[in-house]
Amino acid sequence: GENVEQHPSTLSVQEGDSAVIKCTYSDSASNYFPWYKQELGKGPQLIIDIRSNVGEKKDQRIAVTLNKTAKHFSLHITETQPEDSAVYFCAASRGNNAGNMLTFGGGTRLMVKP
Amino acid sequence: SAVISQKPSRDICQRGTSLTIQCQVDSQVTMMFWYRQQPGQSLTLIATANQGSEATYESGFVIDKFPISRPNLTFSTLTVSNMSPEDSSIYLCSVDGQGTDTQYFGPGTRLTVL
Repeated sequence: GENVEQHPSTLSVQEGDSAVIKCTYSDSASNYFPWYKQELGKGPQLIIDIRSNVGEKKDQRIAVTLNKTAKHFSLHITETQPEDSAVYFCAASRGNNAGNMLTFGGGTRLMVKP
Repeated sequence: SAVISQKPSRDICQRGTSLTIQCQVDSQVTMMFWYRQQPGQSLTLIATANQGSEATYESGFVIDKFPISRPNLTFSTLTVSNMSPEDSSIYLCSVDGQGTDTQYFGPGTRLTVL
């Protein structure tokens, strides 16, 4: 089955700096890669996703890149703000042709210091 | 995206008892998923629940311990049976994004077993 590794497990940055979280996956058939943000006491919230036919996607301060050959994808947050502090999870899936099953990475606790 | 609610939001239970968690969606969805998130850990899929069929359980999870109901396209329940302290976790339901690869999560149920 799919295996998703996520690094780093914790990340501390100064407000205004950039943060990068990296994930690798094992199943070459995976074609959908979402990122979730989980704040304390809440459920995971989808913040951005990318499909395998795209190499990069951007939404304001958040961007995701995908390297299918190397089987890794990354989340980039620019101009970080204290409200970006949360746990971030990457995931991989074969998509709705395979029941939308998501395999999650271990999570990254991001702390943005004001 | 779908609006998902869970009841209860949290509970403290005695070992040996059972708790049923409800998940309600504001629109009809094909697939609903139940996850467990142990303290400080990532999300692990317990089972997939489709309306009109038996739930499909992942390795390590069995129906006797985690019976699931899916009576219609907007509602599902997960029961945690014969609880032990090791069952203390956040239990999350999610739904598929109707024709997309996306999953949306509910707020979670925080369970503590004494």
